[in-house]
Amino acid sequence: GAGVSQSPRYKVAKRGQDVALRCDPISGHVSLFWYQQALGQGPEFLTYFQNEAQLDKSGLPSDRFFAERPEGSVSTLKIQRTQQEDSAVYLCASRGTGHTGELFFGEGSRLTVL
Amino acid sequence: AQTVTQSQPEMSVQEAETVTLSCTYDTSESDYYLFWYKQPPSRQMILVIRQEAYKQQNATENRFSVNFQKAAKSFSLKISDSQLGDAAMYFCAYRILGGGGADGLTFGKGTHLIIQP
Repeated sequence: GAGVSQSPRYKVAKRGQDVALRCDPISGHVSLFWYQQALGQGPEFLTYFQNEAQLDKSGLPSDRFFAERPEGSVSTLKIQRTQQEDSAVYLCASRGTGHTGELFFGEGSRLTVL
Repeated sequence: AQTVTQSQPEMSVQEAETVTLSCTYDTSESDYYLFWYKQPPSRQMILVIRQEAYKQQNATENRFSVNFQKAAKSFSLKISDSQLGDAAMYFCAYRILGGGGADGLTFGKGTHLIIQP
């Protein structure tokens, strides 16, 4: 596609529910990143894929967070047993093979846990 | 730990005036890229300008320019002839080259820019 697409844009979950957030990166982009952005803060790194390989998941806050990219394109971020502190905007970004390192971002998924 | 500091939570400027947003960073690496991203209320982060650390010349993109001081680890953004459409959150970020691992961007906490008509 022309840009990074994320869905849903808004998700309200009751505490304890599982949620899945989808990211469709720019076609051909090898690298894919997930960031968590709390209200009034900058994005914080969660995890990184190169093709289907998850090369870094050091930013995932707990074992309730899980991400996958099975075919090296679309990625899903799953949060199990959601807690109120999980409320945030989840940003997905992709990057091509250019040397500058620019990330292209989606519009994010806003998760609200009640 | 590598960090990015934006000391101005909010800045306000009159339309058509010039404003400078400050950013400092802390890294022991010598090879890296610096970025300014804009995030309007729609939430999509948009690249404003980038700077390669090995280049001494400051980057410029139309009304946007940077003042890159490598020794001071400072990377400020100047917006000239401010327009209403410039109102947004602005984030400073950097990427270390050859660092392995995430190889992504580290962001500051942002500066909220208000444009007064």
